[in-house]
Amino acid sequence: AQRVTQPEKLLSVFKGAPVELKCNYSYSGSPELFWYVQYSRQRLQLLLRHISRESIKGFTADLNKGETSFHLKKPFAQEEDSAMYYCALSASEKLVFGKGTKLTVNP
Amino acid sequence: NAGVTQTPKFQVLKTGQSMTLQCAQDMNHEYMSWYRQDPGMGLRLIHYSVGAGITDQGEVPNGYNVSRSTTEDFPLRLLSAAPSQTSVYFCATSRGPSYEQYFGPGTRLTVT
Repeated sequence: AQRVTQPEKLLSVFKGAPVELKCNYSYSGSPELFWYVQYSRQRLQLLLRHISRESIKGFTADLNKGETSFHLKKPFAQEEDSAMYYCALSASEKLVFGKGTKLTVNP
Repeated sequence: NAGVTQTPKFQVLKTGQSMTLQCAQDMNHEYMSWYRQDPGMGLRLIHYSVGAGITDQGEVPNGYNVSRSTTEDFPLRLLSAAPSQTSVYFCATSRGPSYEQYFGPGTRLTVT
């Protein structure tokens, strides 16, 4: 069965510092991975997906099949990046989410 | 074009009561799903549907029923509410599980 692990419940950084939100997955097939974000009082929304290999709001994520990871990175965090971030894995007609990491960017 | 709507926004139930959470979409998406969001537990898949007339169980289906008679609607039924079902419920729609999911605003349910 597929599983997504986000080891950090909370992550706090200062504005301008690099940030990395970790995501590891467990799946025997070829994974399709996503990062979703939930800003305060807003709906969950897609941030990026590995298949598109694009950068959104300065965030990037690289799929590392050897380490079964899909970590989300941003070189210079902004206060508006403060939000809840969820890593998700699509497999067998299901989309499974991790437990989420709450990112706080301090001024 | 409303996108994905959920009703009600808030609900308080007593243990043992039943209710239906509504989810509707006007995006002509085949794939719809229900999640519950709990602190420290993230989003957990309850049930999903790949099209009208087809539903299947997710990670935490016990205590919930779904049906999909039309493309637009995917109601979630709580048969006999329990305090453990206190949560925020999100409906999502998409072209499929590998495509971008569009989430509703959520329903905050409290069971006393």
